Amino acid sequence: DAGVTQSPTHLIKTRGQHVTLRCSPISGHKSVSWYQQVLGQGPQFIFQYYEKEERGRGNFPDRFSARQFPNYSSELNVNALLLGDSALYLCASTRGQGDYGYTFGSGTRLTVV
Amino acid sequence: GESVGLHLPTLSVQEGDNSIINCAYSNSASDYFIWYKQESGKGPQFIIDIRSNMDKRQGQRVTVLLNKTVKHLSLQIAATQPGDSAVYFCAENTGTASKLTFGTGTRLQVTL
Repeated sequence: DAGVTQSPTHLIKTRGQHVTLRCSPISGHKSVSWYQQVLGQGPQFIFQYYEKEERGRGNFPDRFSARQFPNYSSELNVNALLLGDSALYLCASTRGQGDYGYTFGSGTRLTVV
Repeated sequence: GESVGLHLPTLSVQEGDNSIINCAYSNSASDYFIWYKQESGKGPQFIIDIRSNMDKRQGQRVTVLLNKTVKHLSLQIAATQPGDSAVYFCAENTGTASKLTFGTGTRLQVTL
């Protein structure tokens, strides 16, 4: 079985641009969460989606948004990129809300120049 | 791949020795804790978990200890192997949906 897949694996963007990151959960998993991991730190929670609805949001500005599709895949969008947005963006899926059996993808490495 | 933690606390152990990685958590209301292993260029990988109504849980070569009095979590790895070299994070569930709050991480280096 395929694990959590994320695309692209690496991305370079210029300040002020917009970026879309994609995540496909494990088959049968209905909840997707997004985390930002800055180099040298632990992952920080951005969003959780379950059944296409936002169920949790971390302390991130409104430049960050996400959505979940009927097939449970998800997109993370970041507008007006800043240098500080450079990080590894991780997607994790679980069977449902309140299920803590996270499986993480390998992430998308975003570099803002 | 890129290193995930260039300035993390580092624990160096010899192959075959036991490793103990410690973590302090801040939220006394947290009821679920997980240890993750993260290798360079990869996402966090689940190692072992424990609920707040337990103080010890054992897996294959790993043991997690939870001390709620002092809000302390530890991961013990028996007979450490070179493949155990990675960054280790503890994470706590703060009761909000499935949000996990991660610690800062510890780099484990296994020497031959």
